[in-house]
Amino acid sequence: DADVTQTPRNRITKTGKRIMLECSQTKGHDRMYWYRQDPGLGLRLIYYSFDVKDINKGEISDGYSVSRQAQAKFSLSLESAIPNQTALYFCATSDVTVNQPQHFGDGTRLSIL
Amino acid sequence: EDQVTQSPEALRLQEGESSSLNCSYTVSGLRGLFWYRQDPGKGPEFLFTLYSAGEEKEKERLKATLTKKESFLHITAPKPEDSATYLCAVPYSGNTPLVFGKGTRLSVIA
Repeated sequence: DADVTQTPRNRITKTGKRIMLECSQTKGHDRMYWYRQDPGLGLRLIYYSFDVKDINKGEISDGYSVSRQAQAKFSLSLESAIPNQTALYFCATSDVTVNQPQHFGDGTRLSIL
Repeated sequence: EDQVTQSPEALRLQEGESSSLNCSYTVSGLRGLFWYRQDPGKGPEFLFTLYSAGEEKEKERLKATLTKKESFLHITAPKPEDSATYLCAVPYSGNTPLVFGKGTRLSVIA
């Protein structure tokens, strides 16, 4: 089983819909992250959480919200999806020790029509 | 200004033709530079961390090196299975999440 699991893997939906992307991990890491990846723009940070009670905005948080339900679970929500949120979304985790590598799930491909 | 710049954007090599990918960074007080490999439809896979100038890490045909301003990923005698996008990343400052470069898309032709 994958250490970082994202669901769903693919999603097609319509403008205005509420969408939740879920991430769960078995690595025992305290830190979790959400990134989006767009062609030509690379990976950009949306939100991150250093522990269950900590939530921080990243570079591009507008239009998104997150929930850290447990150490192992971190969800990303789009309250009212718009077409320019079409992208590949990745969840990542890292150990609490400073400057450890981040470990990624295999992503959710989200298309908003 | 981008903190991490990778070049070239794309590189096409013949099998066995060695080359290097570049990652330059502008953050001060570097606290680690990370290399990842990403295959289509997959998440980035961690390769190496370099912490100080002069440090080198190797894995199979890949060797990563670090100076005070940039890092190189050297690929020796590449094979088609080395085809992927290679990403580098640094913490923006202190204890912060990684900032990624846009990547180099490597194609190795048999």
